[in-house]
Amino acid sequence: NAGVTQTPKFQVLKTGQSMTLQCAQDMNHEYMSWYRQDPGMGLRLIHYSVGAGITDQGEVPNGYNVSRSTTEDFPLRLLSAAPSQTSVYFCASSTRFRAGANVLTFGAGSRLTVL
Amino acid sequence: SQQGEEDPQALSIQEGENATMNCSYKTSINNLQWYRQNSGRGLVHLILIRSNEREKHSGRLRVTLDTSKKSSSLLITASRAADTASYFCATDVYIYKLTFGKGTLLTVNP
Repeated sequence: NAGVTQTPKFQVLKTGQSMTLQCAQDMNHEYMSWYRQDPGMGLRLIHYSVGAGITDQGEVPNGYNVSRSTTEDFPLRLLSAAPSQTSVYFCASSTRFRAGANVLTFGAGSRLTVL
Repeated sequence: SQQGEEDPQALSIQEGENATMNCSYKTSINNLQWYRQNSGRGLVHLILIRSNEREKHSGRLRVTLDTSKKSSSLLITASRAADTASYFCATDVYIYKLTFGKGTLLTVNP
């Protein structure tokens, strides 16, 4: 099993450009989510999905778009990148809350720099 | 504002010593988890403790939870250089929205 796979690992964008961070999991997990990690801020939830066709906002959703057309994939789109979106992005998934807890499996991260 | 806050922000110890880090949170939770993050890598789940539990062990890890004080502690016994990492607590006021603290950076010197 590959677990949670994120691509690309590194990306540099110019302000105003758009891009998609890819996330795929092969564990048949229903729940998937995107976090961003910034120095001194910890991890903050951007968007999450509890199954195909269902998405919802987290703590910092502005400037990001998601969709969930399959169980395996949960891409994160930046429609018009801003320097404030420079961060490390993590995708995480979990099976349906085994025994009432949401235990996350994380990808390796995607480091994005917006100039 | 952060739901969970770890303390201290950084901790440096010698190999073989015990490491203790704390997590405080603001609102009632269902579960509290601890994760480890090695430099440049994703987070890895270490241990979960439920709100009706007071203490849990896993190998060299011991977690306590005091819901009256809204705090948890993670103890790593007999630390090794490989334990060098950042440690995060995560709480789930709402199960779909796991909230992470800012982390404790642990350095174990050989």
